[in-house]
Amino acid sequence: DIVMTQTPLSSPVTLGQPASFSCRSSQSLLFTDGRTYLSWLQQRPGQPPRLLIYQISNRFSGVPDRFSGSGAGTDFTLKISRVEAEDVGTYYCMQATQFPYTFGQGTKLEIK
Amino acid sequence: EVHLVESGGGLVQPGGSLRLSCAASGFTFSTKWMTWVRQAPGRGLEWVANIAQDGSEDYYADSVNGRFTVSRDNTKNSLSLQMTGLRDEDTAVYYCTTGMTPDKWGQGTLVTVSS
Repeated sequence: DIVMTQTPLSSPVTLGQPASFSCRSSQSLLFTDGRTYLSWLQQRPGQPPRLLIYQISNRFSGVPDRFSGSGAGTDFTLKISRVEAEDVGTYYCMQATQFPYTFGQGTKLEIK
Repeated sequence: EVHLVESGGGLVQPGGSLRLSCAASGFTFSTKWMTWVRQAPGRGLEWVANIAQDGSEDYYADSVNGRFTVSRDNTKNSLSLQMTGLRDEDTAVYYCTTGMTPDKWGQGTLVTVSS
């Protein structure tokens, strides 16, 4: 199974400041079709997950442009350029390149 | 507007069975792999099962393999998860979502396994 490791597990950030979350996979996420099925999901308290970024760096429809994804191979990063109060929640990376699909443990974003 | 609505959750005793459903609308259901994901109370997300667009392939997490069965009815835009031999550790909110790019999520349905 591909293990997804997220760091940090908790991220206290001041409003208006940037935030960065890391996700590392135990093996390459490159699929046979040439795409890398690494997604970032946001889960606000009491809400279902919501897709933010797919295939490493593609922002999903309606997602604010302060969210960006990057990376390649086994190292991936989600960045928020300026944190807003509505960004509080837990952020998960997920790989869908190989069964079983696997998630990182999540990084909890808190406001200082 | 895209909607996924899960139903069928509830309280069940260990060893019991339950069938979850997911009603899809607002997109071409028959063209999408579909996925079940669950989240135990206070825990992270766990992939449960996938089913191909035409139902010809399905895959399961080791933790549910042999006990859970995923199916779909493309004529009704419906996804199901038949759960048998339920255990305490199956207690979770169960979500349906789309396959390799999970861009649609329902609100989830809570399954509680307890005596």
